[in-house]
Amino acid sequence: DSGVTQTPKHLITATGQRVTLRCSPRSGDLSVYWYQQSLDQGLQFLIQYYNGEERAKGNILERFSAQQFPDLHSELNLSSLELGDSALYFCASSVDPAGGPVGELFFGEGSRLTVL
Amino acid sequence: QQQVKQSPQSLIVQKGGISIINCAYENTAFDYFPWYQQFPGKGPALLIAIRPDVSEKKEGRFTISFNKSAKQFSLHIMDSQPGDSATYFCAGAFQGAQKLVFGQGTRLTINP
Repeated sequence: DSGVTQTPKHLITATGQRVTLRCSPRSGDLSVYWYQQSLDQGLQFLIQYYNGEERAKGNILERFSAQQFPDLHSELNLSSLELGDSALYFCASSVDPAGGPVGELFFGEGSRLTVL
Repeated sequence: QQQVKQSPQSLIVQKGGISIINCAYENTAFDYFPWYQQFPGKGPALLIAIRPDVSEKKEGRFTISFNKSAKQFSLHIMDSQPGDSATYFCAGAFQGAQKLVFGQGTRLTINP
């Protein structure tokens, strides 16, 4: 158990809808990262937050947004969903922006999104 | 320039054999190269990592070999066991930009 909690584990929705994925980082971790894992794209970095502030942005679509709250949990909002958004969405956390050591991220078990 | 290319996509090895997964990177600013292991239904977990000033790092049956001039690194799993069956991801990272750039993954199957 990595200590990172993600909900929901599974989500099925229709095209055009909006969903919110939630992540609680490990106790004491200030950084939260979101990754998308699909069969043909591997693990793609979406966005990173550190202590409530956006720290780095990756290949995140404009239809997607995220935030980190004062209690450090994070939410990833996906809107105007398309079939191609079906994927596993992972949240990861680390102690600080540079990790401890660098590159050591602790991943949750993911939220599987299916868009029909 | 951010890419990390990983091969093979899938690999089948007999129990007791050596599993070898290769990665190549483009971004010379990367200064940390971790390997993550992912079991079905679970998130990736850090397995072993290396910095480019070291040519080899060994932890138990797992060894990373690093060739800085060729911009390549590889994971060797000695005496492979069925419990090693998982998907393995190599990655590159650099300080100041904590995001990991992952390879495409290798699905490893160890036959008993």
